[in-house]
Formats: sequence, C-alpha cells, structure tokens
Amino acid sequence: DAGITQSPRHKVTETGTPVTLRCHQTENHRYMYWYRQDPGHGLRLIHYSYGVKDTDKGEVSDGYSVSRSKTEDFLLTLESATSSQTSVYFCAISETDMDYGYTFGSGTRLTVV
Amino acid sequence: SQQGEEDPQALSIQEGENATMNCSYKTSINNLQWYRQNSGRGLVHLILIRSNEREKHSGRLRVTLDTSKKSSSLLITASRAADTASYFCATGGGTLTFGKGTMLLVSP
Repeated sequence: DAGITQSPRHKVTETGTPVTLRCHQTENHRYMYWYRQDPGHGLRLIHYSYGVKDTDKGEVSDGYSVSRSKTEDFLLTLESATSSQTSVYFCAISETDMDYGYTFGSGTRLTVV
Repeated sequence: SQQGEEDPQALSIQEGENATMNCSYKTSINNLQWYRQNSGRGLVHLILIRSNEREKHSGRLRVTLDTSKKSSSLLITASRAADTASYFCATGGGTLTFGKGTMLLVSP
C-alpha cells in the first residue's frame, strides 16, 4: 500500500525465539498501530504510538513490545514467540486520532512452530 | 472485546444486485468507519460517518448511521465481481475497534 510498508511479508520462526516486525511509513503521520488478525476474532489492537517514543497498549499487548525511535518506523517485537502468536500482523497509520481513516500495510504472516 | 458486530457473517449475491451489510455496536461513538479487505491484502478505508450524520454516499456506497439503535448499514449498489471481499465496520474515538467482518461473494 502506498506510503506504508511492512517487513518481512512472511516469516516462520521457532517457539521461544525473539521476532521483530517492522512498519515503515513515508506519510509523516503521527499515529501508528499494530493489529493482529485471526479467524473468528477479526482485528485486535496490540499496541499503538502517538508520537516518537510515545506508545501505549492495546487490547492484546501481552507478550509484545514496541518501539518508535523515528516518526517513520514502528517496530513490533515478540520477546519469546509462542504458537498462540501465529497470526497475520497489520500495521496502520493515521494523521490524527479523531475522524480520520487508517491506511493499512499489506501485512506480515507469522508462523511460530 | 469487539465493539462492532457485522451481520450477516457471509453474503452471496449475483452481479448487478445490491448488497447490504449491517453493523451493531455497544457504546457511544465519535464516528463509524467501513473498510474492505481483499483476500491476502490489507484493509482499505471506504467511508467514515460521524456520530452527528445520518447518511453518507461515496460512489456506489451508501452508509447510514442510527445512533439511537447503535447500528449502521453499508449498501453497495449494482455489485460487481470485483466487490468480492470482506467488509469490516470499525468504531472510533481514539483507536479503532473492528468487528469480525462480513464476507461478500459476488458471482458473475
């Protein structure tokens, strides 16, 4: 999607290993979000950021941490991956936090074996 | 927990027919948004309706909002095979909370 890229697109990792997913934007938007999408659950918010070094937890934050050292990059880290973290992860950006649509990345499909 | 809940879960129609999807939510909202997701892709923002608006149009899309019933509907007129996708409602006021989606299949 224009202005936002996620890497990697696919990853297979072993239980117990750390994993970092990257979201990069070129829109200079203040707000960035990480969601996970699972069958039967829809999209659930993991963490979000409202500025450089400003982050907060979402609905399903346990086992995840985030960092935002630059406006354009938002990193999601699974400290010690578990099979329950097998999912599709989406990053999204928005210019404001009110009355504004999100732009989503293409997603990262993560499999923990 | 999910704020929005779409209905039906799945919908199958023929090209040229209209498709209507509904969304119900539980608490007060600032706005309600609809998104489309094609298989294997990210979500795409379709339309946003504010809590003080009752109806909004965008091309072949018509969205209504009834805050007294805490519900919204998305109407796609003259559906095309390319409209085949999952459609999600999301309620906002800070971060967005998404429903589980309606899968729409439009057959040629």
